[in-house]
Amino acid sequence: DAGITQSPRHKVTETGTPVTLRCHQTENHRYMYWYRQDPGHGLRLIHYSYGVKDTDKGEVSDGYSVSRSKTEDFLLTLESATSSQTSVYFCAISVTGLDEQYFGPGTRLTVT
Amino acid sequence: SQQGEEDPQALSIQEGENATMNCSYKTSINNLQWYRQNSGRGLVHLILIRSNEREKHSGRLRVTLDTSKKSSSLLITASRAADTASYFCATDDGRDDKIIFGKGTRLHILP
Repeated sequence: DAGITQSPRHKVTETGTPVTLRCHQTENHRYMYWYRQDPGHGLRLIHYSYGVKDTDKGEVSDGYSVSRSKTEDFLLTLESATSSQTSVYFCAISVTGLDEQYFGPGTRLTVT
Repeated sequence: SQQGEEDPQALSIQEGENATMNCSYKTSINNLQWYRQNSGRGLVHLILIRSNEREKHSGRLRVTLDTSKKSSSLLITASRAADTASYFCATDDGRDDKIIFGKGTRLHILP
């Protein structure tokens, strides 16, 4: 398995609080991605990074920000969590932007 | 936005039978990928087929790509209980360095 971990694995938080999810890789891959997965919507891209300090928005970026200060870490921040952000969040990595992606185990986030 | 759309949404077959699921997309692509997701787990890459390829095999998996019809199929032969999972296709749009996933096909293998 690709060396990719996510933390925390589960989190329950209250509406309005900030939340940061961490993705860590040991593969030195250039590209990193954050997705959310919801029933009926499949997997949707939130933000992605194509290098240190290089990030871009995905399909559902509103309410989320990201940072990548090191190759191995990609952080996803919910500045003020809302109930609509209750979801399972997956991080993925890839060598190039178009080749196979390797996924982390996911973080289940519940916003009450 | 560019998106692969899988068909059917759900499929139940007997163990030992073959399973076929399809993916259609809208615009020209560089490649198309298939992923599997077991319940509660992250996606696992199965196979990537490039736009200049028509067929690709990996073990019990066979993927075809018809760029004229903008469609792909994934065939799993001699299905096993362990094949029970959701299967997703993913495509790029020929321009950007990201891929977009479809909503998936839920495959259930009956004993």
